[in-house]
Amino acid sequence: EAGVAQSPRYKIIEKRQSVAFWCNPISGHATLYWYQQILGQGPKLLIQFQNNGVVDDSQLPKDRFSAERLKGVDSTLKIQPAKLEDSAVYLCASSLVAGVYNEQFFGPGTRLTVL
Amino acid sequence: AQRVTQPEKLLSVFKGAPVELKCNYSYSGSPELFWYVQYSRQRLQLLLRHISRESIKGFTADLNKGETSFHLKKPFAQEEDSAMYYCALGYNQGGKLIFGQGTELSVKP
Repeated sequence: EAGVAQSPRYKIIEKRQSVAFWCNPISGHATLYWYQQILGQGPKLLIQFQNNGVVDDSQLPKDRFSAERLKGVDSTLKIQPAKLEDSAVYLCASSLVAGVYNEQFFGPGTRLTVL
Repeated sequence: AQRVTQPEKLLSVFKGAPVELKCNYSYSGSPELFWYVQYSRQRLQLLLRHISRESIKGFTADLNKGETSFHLKKPFAQEEDSAMYYCALGYNQGGKLIFGQGTELSVKP
């Protein structure tokens, strides 16, 4: 089966600019996750969707980050305006349904550099 | 608060030597523990989960609730085991994962 797709793979922007990332989960997967992975750290969950509803966004910096999954399939994550500390790899993952027993499948990530 | 700690950033061993990657967790409830692996230029992927009690690619991990540990072990390391390994704690019905900082395993010929 095709894996989780993400684009772009790399992005370089100036601070205070805006940026958007796109994710296409595995077909049929109801649950979608966005993670932030800062260099030298493990992935940190930003937001979790179940279909097109938000399950958990407790660690999403809502003053600058937003995410949507309008039709319950593709998702976009936006940062507006970006800060230097947003430099990281942004990972998208999906699972068939929510729950710890359901394997999460990860995309290749988008590497963001904020100058 | 929930936390996962991997004390070693880098572990270097020779081919054929035993490997143990350490993972300790902090969680008051009943934990679900996982090991994820990322090989060079590949995606993060699930290696094994404690509830399955399985051996994958020769790796095993035992959950020790008394010591709050979930160390990953392999008796004889292979060069193809070189990768980043992340321990993760799943702790709610939604499937939220908390990852450790990761350990880079380097297996030398």
